[in-house]
Amino acid sequence: GNSVTQMEGPVTLSEEAFLTINCTYTATGYPSLFWYVQYPGEGLQLLLKATKADDKGSNKGFEATYRKETTSFHLEKGSVQVSDSAVYFCALSERSGNNNDMRFGAGTRLTVKP
Amino acid sequence: GAVVSQHPSWVICKSGTSVKIECRSLDFQATTMFWYRQFPKQSLMLMATSNEGSKATYEQGVEKDKFLINHASLTLSTLTVTSAHPEDSSFYICSARDLQRAYNEQFFGPGTRLTVL
Repeated sequence: GNSVTQMEGPVTLSEEAFLTINCTYTATGYPSLFWYVQYPGEGLQLLLKATKADDKGSNKGFEATYRKETTSFHLEKGSVQVSDSAVYFCALSERSGNNNDMRFGAGTRLTVKP
Repeated sequence: GAVVSQHPSWVICKSGTSVKIECRSLDFQATTMFWYRQFPKQSLMLMATSNEGSKATYEQGVEKDKFLINHASLTLSTLTVTSAHPEDSSFYICSARDLQRAYNEQFFGPGTRLTVL
């Protein structure tokens, strides 16, 4: 079945440091890939997405490229801020009607220190 | 667009009481909504799929008589935790799919924190 594996945390960085959170996936078909962010005490917010191979999703300085050859969707940001402290979830979903085939990674907690 | 709300955002109740949580899609129609449970510092666990006008589909290990789901309209699904106990304390999150969107994205509500005393 489909699955997502992402880098275990927690990750602690200083402000303006470079961020990479690794995410790899296993899928039988051609899934869409997502990164969600969860701030303390809140639900999930979509950070970025990519729906086909070689697509690059980007938002708020974060980027991730859909790499079919390496089955990866690593999240990157060139210069993190304290406000980026949150938990990040990688996820995939294939079209399957009303069924929920969305699979989440375990989440990576990021703490950015000033 | 694609906003999902939940009510209440938090609730504290006594053991043995029932609690209802509402999930609404505010600006789109959703024939399918999903209910998740999240324990502290863990990922989301899918509990059930809520389909408008039909019975919900529960994941293995989730008690359907314990967690009652009703999806009476294209914009509202409710989750009722019946006879709640302290072990039911958790963060409950709903999500919905927009019928009009081509790709398979889910829009998440802000979550409801349930504490059972």
